[in-house]
Amino acid sequence: AQSVSQHNHHVILSEAASLELGCNYSYGGTVNLFWYVQYPGQHLQLLLKYFSGDPLVKGIKGFEAEFIKSKFSFNLRKPSVQWSDTAEYFCAVNAGAAGNKLTFGGGTRVLVKP
Amino acid sequence: EAQVTQNPRYLITVTGKKLTVTCSQNMNHEYMSWYRQDPGLGLRQIYYSMNVEVTDKGDVPEGYKVSRKEKRNFPLILESPSPNQTSLYFCASSPHRSSSYNEQFFGPGTRLTVL
Repeated sequence: AQSVSQHNHHVILSEAASLELGCNYSYGGTVNLFWYVQYPGQHLQLLLKYFSGDPLVKGIKGFEAEFIKSKFSFNLRKPSVQWSDTAEYFCAVNAGAAGNKLTFGGGTRVLVKP
Repeated sequence: EAQVTQNPRYLITVTGKKLTVTCSQNMNHEYMSWYRQDPGLGLRQIYYSMNVEVTDKGDVPEGYKVSRKEKRNFPLILESPSPNQTSLYFCASSPHRSSSYNEQFFGPGTRLTVL
């Protein structure tokens, strides 16, 4: 069965610092990869997605992620965070099984101090 | 406005009292799904539906039922809730049942507490 792991459960950083969140998955075949964000009290929103092509994917709000197939990784990055990036971030994988099933990582809570 | 709605948003109930959480989408999506979110575990799929009258178990289906009588609605039923079902529940939908290229759209969540 596919699984997704996010290395950091909590990250605290200051405004303007750079952010990188790790995500690794276990599945040997073709995958579709997603990062979702959940702002406090809100529902999940899609930040970015990778299906094929350029492994460096740009999403909304200045986020990007790089798919490294050999490392089974899809790390999320942002060069300079803002206080408004305080949220929980989820990596998710769809490996084609059961239609649109997404397998999520455990999430990373990010707190940006003003 | 295209959206997924859930009701209620918050619910406190007691063990054994049947409850239903409704989910509705106005985007004519074929695929709908229920997840529960627990700290440190991310979101885990409970049930999903590829289309009307077609439902199947996800990763954590025990203690839950669903139905899909209409395309837009996908209610989650807890026949006899227990405290270990205290969680945050999300409904999601996406356009096509058979394609993995679809983004899933999430509802606002239902926070359920079972005493």
